[in-house]
Amino acid sequence: EAQVTQNPRYLITVTGKKLTVTCSQNMNHEYMSWYRQDPGLGLRQIYYSMNVEVTDKGDVPEGYKVSRKEKRNFPLILESPSPNQTSLYFCASSLREGVYEQYFGPGTRLTVT
Amino acid sequence: SQQGEEDPQALSIQEGENATMNCSYKTSINNLQWYRQNSGRGLVHLILIRSNEREKHSGRLRVTLDTSKKSSSLLITASRAADTASYFCATDLNFGNEKLTFGTGTRLTIIP
Repeated sequence: EAQVTQNPRYLITVTGKKLTVTCSQNMNHEYMSWYRQDPGLGLRQIYYSMNVEVTDKGDVPEGYKVSRKEKRNFPLILESPSPNQTSLYFCASSLREGVYEQYFGPGTRLTVT
Repeated sequence: SQQGEEDPQALSIQEGENATMNCSYKTSINNLQWYRQNSGRGLVHLILIRSNEREKHSGRLRVTLDTSKKSSSLLITASRAADTASYFCATDLNFGNEKLTFGTGTRLTIIP
């Protein structure tokens, strides 16, 4: 089954404790992206990757890191999480950016206390 | 700032009625997509309309695009309780960058 998986689905952590949210897709997509969703603000792009070893900042990259060492995986790293990073996070992939539909993962609800 | 803005922000209708939601955007686009999100879950692609198209259908969905007004509408006919969800438009801009930008969404509630 074609899908995007994320782990963990739920995470409660404390300020400053490094964490990684994994994202994996099995569709051989070139493009992958991370979004955060906050009430009233819609989806905002954090980082995206056009292909392996190619990543770039989205609209709200501060406080986040990503890597794309393999085509299928695109982990999101929070080196020192803060309470303002409490949010619902989505990973998405598509064949290419823009004209192609994006496939979304189920989401990771992160709470930073 | 958001490229796409959906209107209304929230909409409640009786089951069986038609639901219409609108999306306005600010700059020229290549394509516009509509997505659905059930509460707290990932977005699901519904339909894509290209800038040279004016109308597109998919089952009970009808999407129109008016590039002169920089707006699109999504019509869901004969609504069902399962259509209760948030609906987002997403645009990719027509100036060399194909970044997909999402609006803030319309929350649709279908009353049984």
